[in-house]
Amino acid sequence: DAKTTQPNSMESNEEEPVHLPCNHSTISGTDYIHWYRQLPSQGPEYVIHGLTSNVNNRMASLAIAEDRKSSTLILHRATLRDAAVYYCIHLRPGGGNKLTFGTGTQLKVEL
Amino acid sequence: DAGVTQSPTHLIKTRGQQVTLRCSPKSGHDTVSWYQQALGQGPQFIFQYYEEEERQRGNFPDRFSGHQFPNYSSELNVNALLLGDSALYLCASSLGTRNTGELFFGEGSRLTVL
Repeated sequence: DAKTTQPNSMESNEEEPVHLPCNHSTISGTDYIHWYRQLPSQGPEYVIHGLTSNVNNRMASLAIAEDRKSSTLILHRATLRDAAVYYCIHLRPGGGNKLTFGTGTQLKVEL
Repeated sequence: DAGVTQSPTHLIKTRGQQVTLRCSPKSGHDTVSWYQQALGQGPQFIFQYYEEEERQRGNFPDRFSGHQFPNYSSELNVNALLLGDSALYLCASSLGTRNTGELFFGEGSRLTVL
């Protein structure tokens, strides 16, 4: 299964930007990069995904390195509600939506 | 628009017993996947159902079985429960088995095995 590496935890202050890194050195050229987050006592929630180009949506931005071996999820202004575990996943074509989660990054947001 | 709903939310069983967990997918979705999440770990894929058939299976023993009904809802059955089966069981739904990567998860069923 495809493997990603993320820091165990990160901290941020409210209203500041947060950059969550992910290494995926075994990624193949056709794998998409997906990010999910899991708030306390909830199931995971889709955040964003991309292939090669940087992506933006209402929740976050995704910056993908040129060699695609790493990516960064950017929360532009962290709020207390963004405190969650963030998972970086790369998805093989033909994988039929089978997600392989690692242990993710626990993001703590402080006032 | 109802999201993914799971029942029960919490349950306690003893070793050797059997358990059935239920999931109703998001409206319009026809594919259901089940995940097991142990404390402090990321979710692990159990299996996926589409058109009432098991389409993919993760590394779980045959004690874990499932079913999908014509209305797309699904059940997860675990027989001969072990202490190590204690976990949060998550159901996720999607449309078809195309690799969109966008799954919608329920809040899970927390199983405790004593």
